[in-house]
Amino acid sequence: EPEVTQTPSHQVTQMGQEVILRCVPISNHLYFYWYRQILGQKVEFLVSFYNNEISEKSEIFDDQFSVERPDGSNFTLKIRSTKLEDSAMYFCASVRDSASYEQYFGPGTRLTVT
Amino acid sequence: DQQVKQNSPSLSVQEGRISILNCDYTNSMFDYFLWYKKYPAEGPTFLISISSIKDKNEDGRFTVFLNKSAKHLSLHIVPSQPGDSAVYFCAARGGTSGTYKYIFGTGTRLKVLA
Repeated sequence: EPEVTQTPSHQVTQMGQEVILRCVPISNHLYFYWYRQILGQKVEFLVSFYNNEISEKSEIFDDQFSVERPDGSNFTLKIRSTKLEDSAMYFCASVRDSASYEQYFGPGTRLTVT
Repeated sequence: DQQVKQNSPSLSVQEGRISILNCDYTNSMFDYFLWYKKYPAEGPTFLISISSIKDKNEDGRFTVFLNKSAKHLSLHIVPSQPGDSAVYFCAARGGTSGTYKYIFGTGTRLKVLA
């Protein structure tokens, strides 16, 4: 069964450093999302991406964040200058098409900023 | 701005009994509501959904009820099994095709006691 994959599973970085979180969505899916979950809190929407551009973003997704689909398979989230409060689980998700609503989530990347 | 709320952070149920998880929302423009199950260190897994034009959807042991006038939905699990122990997230979809956004509740931790 196809699945969304994410790498790395755990990333430790120092405050101020740049990180890139990688996701490979299911191959025939068209809509892509990034979420984060700070420990013990809710899953928060960050950004949605469709047709090679951002379609929606939350207030969390400020200028420090960017997304890219560089090669038609990877979907990346970059945080330019990490802060302590960026420590969270980051989940990537994809949806097949506009008639679908089920999101398929990856296993997540745990980001720890020290 | 909590558009989707799960007011019970945890619930304990005896094996074989019914588990009822509740969710409230504020935005009447949501068109789909979804329930996800999440185990530790894994991404959320889609469980069941309901369109805003329906009031009930059933899939095996899982039934979701939607009360639009009360802006309330609930997930019933009958009979509950120990393997159902997980965190359950309610999510709502808003927006239009190409700009869909999913808002998650804070989750309810279900513990099914053997």
